[in-house]
Amino acid sequence: RKEVEQDPGPFNVPEGATVAFNCTYSNSASQSFFWYRQDCRKEPKLLMSVYSSGNEDGRFTAQLNRASQYISLLIRDSKLSDSATYLCVVNKDTSYGKLTFGQGTILTVHP
Amino acid sequence: NAGVMQNPRHLVRRRGQEARLRCSPMKGHSHVYWYRQLPEEGLKFMVYLQKENIIDESGMPKERFSAEFPKEGPSILRIQQVVRGDSAAYFCASSPGRGPYEQYFGPGTRLTVT
Repeated sequence: RKEVEQDPGPFNVPEGATVAFNCTYSNSASQSFFWYRQDCRKEPKLLMSVYSSGNEDGRFTAQLNRASQYISLLIRDSKLSDSATYLCVVNKDTSYGKLTFGQGTILTVHP
Repeated sequence: NAGVMQNPRHLVRRRGQEARLRCSPMKGHSHVYWYRQLPEEGLKFMVYLQKENIIDESGMPKERFSAEFPKEGPSILRIQQVVRGDSAAYFCASSPGRGPYEQYFGPGTRLTVT
């Protein structure tokens, strides 16, 4: 079983749509969680950290369910510029940032 | 405010040659991580370094790969006697401290072995 699993997609949605991505992780001791986006195999860019209480940044909302070992990302009012691969990222280690990446979910937003 | 810098951006090597990849962390960051992304795969952790110390190299192949982060200058990932399977994107990330901080990635070095 992969340590971090994501639905690879692709998700094809029209502009203005709401889309949700899910991710599960296998190590219950995991400590910190992130969503990154990656464009055309460029460098990953931090989108947001994910907290147990849930957090929101503009059109993006992230949720964490530790009991189910499940992380989600919701994008509202999709823009063309949101087209990218979204990476679910988990850090198992409390002492430093050894990140484990999911395979990524491909999103294409069309006019 | 310069971000993480990596060079070269593209590197072509013949089988058996050496590849040297360089990474300068963000200003104020002294912790560097290297990750590798093979074609059609996700990023995989390779090594974590602080200045003059290798903290965790559990993701590094046992042979031909080495990394350093000297007191002065960039971090270097060195691959000796490259093989075709080493062709990948190598990303460096930096963070401000040792804890599980957010990491910021450089643009990567795309290594092609011919």
